[in-house]
Amino acid sequence: ETGVTQTPRHLVMGMTNKKSLKCEQHLGHNAMYWYKQSAKKPLELMFVYNFKEQTENNSVPSRFSPECPNSSHLFLHLHTLQPEDSALYLCAVGRPKETQYFGPGTRLLVL
Amino acid sequence: AQTVTQSQPEMSVQEAETVTLSCTYDTSESDYYLFWYKQPPSRQMILVIRQEAYKQQNATENRFSVNFQKAAKSFSLKISDSQLGDAAMYFCAYTIEYGNKLVFGAGTILRVKS
Repeated sequence: ETGVTQTPRHLVMGMTNKKSLKCEQHLGHNAMYWYKQSAKKPLELMFVYNFKEQTENNSVPSRFSPECPNSSHLFLHLHTLQPEDSALYLCAVGRPKETQYFGPGTRLLVL
Repeated sequence: AQTVTQSQPEMSVQEAETVTLSCTYDTSESDYYLFWYKQPPSRQMILVIRQEAYKQQNATENRFSVNFQKAAKSFSLKISDSQLGDAAMYFCAYTIEYGNKLVFGAGTILRVKS
């Protein structure tokens, strides 16, 4: 719909698993973001990439590891997660003061 | 610290009527931008409306308009002629001129009754 896709849409993982979330954009924006959306809490910014370089890490635990191999793709690698990490993870692209375009999100459940 | 507060966790409106969602923010900046984003159930978040703080004129987009009160640091969203498709979570958000991130409020769930 908005040129930003995320896979998988749903993910269930155990605390010892390793998985990756993928974000792909077709809008040509240089700024890419990972947000965490938990129930009844504001969206929490996790990471910011500009021109493939990480420019912000919002005190995110090391069990979350982002990667931006090119301007079209953004990954979030997950390992040894905790149940409290269960949430909707949103990818977004675009400059904040203009418009941010969001993906549909990956709903993650950690058992 | 920059914060955005949405004091209404949930709101309801009858179809075809008008509803206003509230948002207040805290900042010491003079140049900034305010937004309302809409997140329908199981669908992507999209921008509804954008306001530049240096503009006194309130932004409008079809049935959506804002009441921007800079001195009061208030930024409410008015939805006129509400439609069933307006049912969603609405987020108020803020960024500064050279900011690299949006600061979001906690959101308001809007329910539209037929």
